[in-house]
Amino acid sequence: NAGVTQTPKFQVLKTGQSMTLQCAQDMNHNSMYWYRQDPGMGLRLIYYSASEGTTDKGEVPNGYNVSRLNKREFSLRLESAAPSQTSVYFCATLTRGNLWGRHFGDGTRLSIL
Amino acid sequence: DQQVKQNSPSLSVQEGRISILNCDYTNSMFDYFLWYKKYPAEGPTFLISISSIKDKNEDGRFTVFLNKSAKHLSLHIVPSQPGDSAVYFCAASGEWYGGSQGNLIFGKGTKLSVKP
Repeated sequence: NAGVTQTPKFQVLKTGQSMTLQCAQDMNHNSMYWYRQDPGMGLRLIYYSASEGTTDKGEVPNGYNVSRLNKREFSLRLESAAPSQTSVYFCATLTRGNLWGRHFGDGTRLSIL
Repeated sequence: DQQVKQNSPSLSVQEGRISILNCDYTNSMFDYFLWYKKYPAEGPTFLISISSIKDKNEDGRFTVFLNKSAKHLSLHIVPSQPGDSAVYFCAASGEWYGGSQGNLIFGKGTKLSVKP
């Protein structure tokens, strides 16, 4: 999806390893979000950032940390990965022209063994 | 406790016919609703939205209907095309819930298959 770029696209970790998921947007929005999607589930908000320098917890923040590096970049860190964190992670910013919507990246598929 | 429910995990429709995807919500404080479409290995894509002050919103082949008294919304796709085959998510939010500064609550999704 143009506008939000996530890296890496795939990653396999062992339990206890750490990792940072990167996200960058070029849509010039202040708000950015991290969601996770598990099989058969809707997307759940992990953390969000309303502007550079601010972050807030969402529904499922435990086990994660975030950094809003600048207006463009919002990273998600797993300090000690657990199998329960196996999921697809989506970064998002606001939808252009609709401040209620979210414009998503293509996701990072993370498996923790 | 699910606040946004999509009770049909899957739906199969013939090309050219109408697809109706349903969504129910429990929280009467929601006042903005959105539909997203998701293809495999891609992120969800915003499709259409509706504010609680309206009961219908149209965009081309896609129409969303909102019944506030029943806490129910539906997405109609007419005519359905094979390229519409995807997972459709309903989502809800409201000013009290933070709007753009906070959370959207997503349903679990309905997988639509449009057969040629």
